[in-house]
Amino acid sequence: DQQVKQNSPSLSVQEGRISILNCDYTNSMFDYFLWYKKYPAEGPTFLISISSIKDKNEDGRFTVFLNKSAKHLSLHIVPSQPGDSAVYFCAARGFGNEKLTFGTGTRLTIIP
Amino acid sequence: EPEVTQTPSHQVTQMGQEVILRCVPISNHLYFYWYRQILGQKVEFLVSFYNNEISEKSEIFDDQFSVERPDGSNFTLKIRSTKLEDSAMYFCASRRGSSYEQYFGPGTRLTVT
Repeated sequence: DQQVKQNSPSLSVQEGRISILNCDYTNSMFDYFLWYKKYPAEGPTFLISISSIKDKNEDGRFTVFLNKSAKHLSLHIVPSQPGDSAVYFCAARGFGNEKLTFGTGTRLTIIP
Repeated sequence: EPEVTQTPSHQVTQMGQEVILRCVPISNHLYFYWYRQILGQKVEFLVSFYNNEISEKSEIFDDQFSVERPDGSNFTLKIRSTKLEDSAMYFCASRRGSSYEQYFGPGTRLTVT
């Protein structure tokens, strides 16, 4: 099941710079997208979401961009902080469905 | 801030045994979920539960699995006869009725030997 893909398994970014995490999807029935952050031995923590009727949503240091024609979304973190080091998952919800389909995750490391 | 809680944090069981994983969803949430993550793999949906019945389930959620909300606060996942391949982190999640964001618990690590 490769409906949600995160092609970069890892990313390193200098503290204070912008982190950009990418996610691609194949299912055109997805209408809601979410980003989660996960520390080892903890559950996923909800960060930010976006509906398919929007192309941008911002919450503090986190902004999610959605490009429906390209079936691509990205999470921008500005400025990056050491506490942002974690695994980030993109997830998608299909219209009328309850299930979230997750990507494989990107491990973000913020370098002090 | 309210959180989803799960017990136990780690459960070890022998193949063929029954296990019950417990969750307390956030109190004003209406939709409840179980997901699992096998080591090195994606987080996978198992089942969703609303209004005291299963609203959606995956092909993983076969007859060996069941869910229950025995009272107003707990939500349980039962595996009747565990297999080695059931070893995974099991996450409970919940959401309000007014938004789609699902909030996850810390997980139960199930080890089947």
